[in-house]
Amino acid sequence: GAVVSQHPSRVICKSGTSVKIECRSLDFQATTMFWYRQFPKQSLMLMATSNEGSKATYEQGVEKDKFLINHASLTLSTLTVTSAHPEDSSFYICSAGAHSSTEAFFGQGTRLTVV
Amino acid sequence: GQQVMQIPQYQHVQEGEDFTTYCNSSTTLSNIQWYKQRPGGHPVFLIQLVKSGEVKKQKRLTFQFGEAKKNSSLHITATQTTDVGTYFCAGEQGSSNTGKLIFGQGTTLQVKP
Repeated sequence: GAVVSQHPSRVICKSGTSVKIECRSLDFQATTMFWYRQFPKQSLMLMATSNEGSKATYEQGVEKDKFLINHASLTLSTLTVTSAHPEDSSFYICSAGAHSSTEAFFGQGTRLTVV
Repeated sequence: GQQVMQIPQYQHVQEGEDFTTYCNSSTTLSNIQWYKQRPGGHPVFLIQLVKSGEVKKQKRLTFQFGEAKKNSSLHITATQTTDVGTYFCAGEQGSSNTGKLIFGQGTTLQVKP
């Protein structure tokens, strides 16, 4: 199956700093990628839809200035958590779909801890 | 907005017992997908259902999509310890395949050996 690679898998940062998370489709091109957030023992909450070459579409309640998304190529989308606070600590996960399938392929996820 | 409700939240079974999780959407879905997430891992695709009333089987797993395309279920026959994990349904709204999924809350399955 298709592979989506997400990096880093874990990151600890200080309050006020920014953290960048990368999501790469390794063996297919993805015009659209999705970013989710998952709190412990909870479901995946869609944060935004990342569109290659255009602005991301954010879900209601998600601050676009805080969670910057860049989808500069057909294989890479990045999520930058700006001015991180402890409440931003969570599991962030991306997904992408190959053109030939509606199945979503998920990255391994990034566990962010803000101290 | 669209909501996908999933029950139960947790289920503890003895190995060999059956298990079922149910998913209900507030709106009609173009398709529904099921994922399994092991502790510490990421969701892994299990199956997609598209047609009204569709039933699909994967070994001991049986997936159903309701006639109205608003509900779905996953049934595991004779659970094994390898079935442990959280099962999520995820629905795609409307008639277009955009890839945008709304996830249910998930059902966490524990299996006692």
